Amino acid sequence: GESVGLHLPTLSVQEGDNSIINCAYSNSASDYFIWYKQESGKGPQFIIDIRSNMDKRQGQRVTVLLNKTVKHLSLQIAATQPGDSAVYFCAENRPSGTYKYIFGTGTRLKVLA
Amino acid sequence: DSGVTQTPKHLITATGQRVTLRCSPRSGDLSVYWYQQSLDQGLQFLIHYYNGEERAKGNILERFSAQQFPDLHSELNLSSLELGDSALYFCASSVDRQGPYEQYFGPGTRLTVT
Repeated sequence: GESVGLHLPTLSVQEGDNSIINCAYSNSASDYFIWYKQESGKGPQFIIDIRSNMDKRQGQRVTVLLNKTVKHLSLQIAATQPGDSAVYFCAENRPSGTYKYIFGTGTRLKVLA
Repeated sequence: DSGVTQTPKHLITATGQRVTLRCSPRSGDLSVYWYQQSLDQGLQFLIHYYNGEERAKGNILERFSAQQFPDLHSELNLSSLELGDSALYFCASSVDRQGPYEQYFGPGTRLTVT
């Protein structure tokens, strides 16, 4: 079926290092992108979003980069902490007069002490 | 706490049965989205309601239906349940004011069909 390009790889990072999680999206017309964090047993939690008229957006310890040329999205987490351990999803909104989000299968981030 | 509530938290039922999942959006949000999350499929968009009207359908089976009521809470009805319907069901709400906005997810309902 349709998907935003993740196949649940695992990224292991030392505590205090920066993490970069990547996502390839499929529809060049997608105009809005969201990163979510999901901890075990909980619902996805909004982290940061970006619209297609932007290349970069920063939040608290997180930065999202959007490269529309190659349809690539990345999430950078600065000074990764144990509490950052979770599965991270990107989602794209495909404009069609309605809001229809396509999620990837996620990347598991493991923070090593 | 996202402000989105879902009930029940867990549901165990038999094949062929019918269940109703309930979602209350955050105060002020007009949009409700339903998603199914299973181990091999990730998060799958099912359906979107905005202020009581259906706006978009995703991979929703004909055995499933939903509605959003005047008080903006939403229900997802699953009928003729099959083993493969076992999954986590999430709802999310958003303001979606003149464009898409971030979604806030509820804690989910874990459905087990035996």
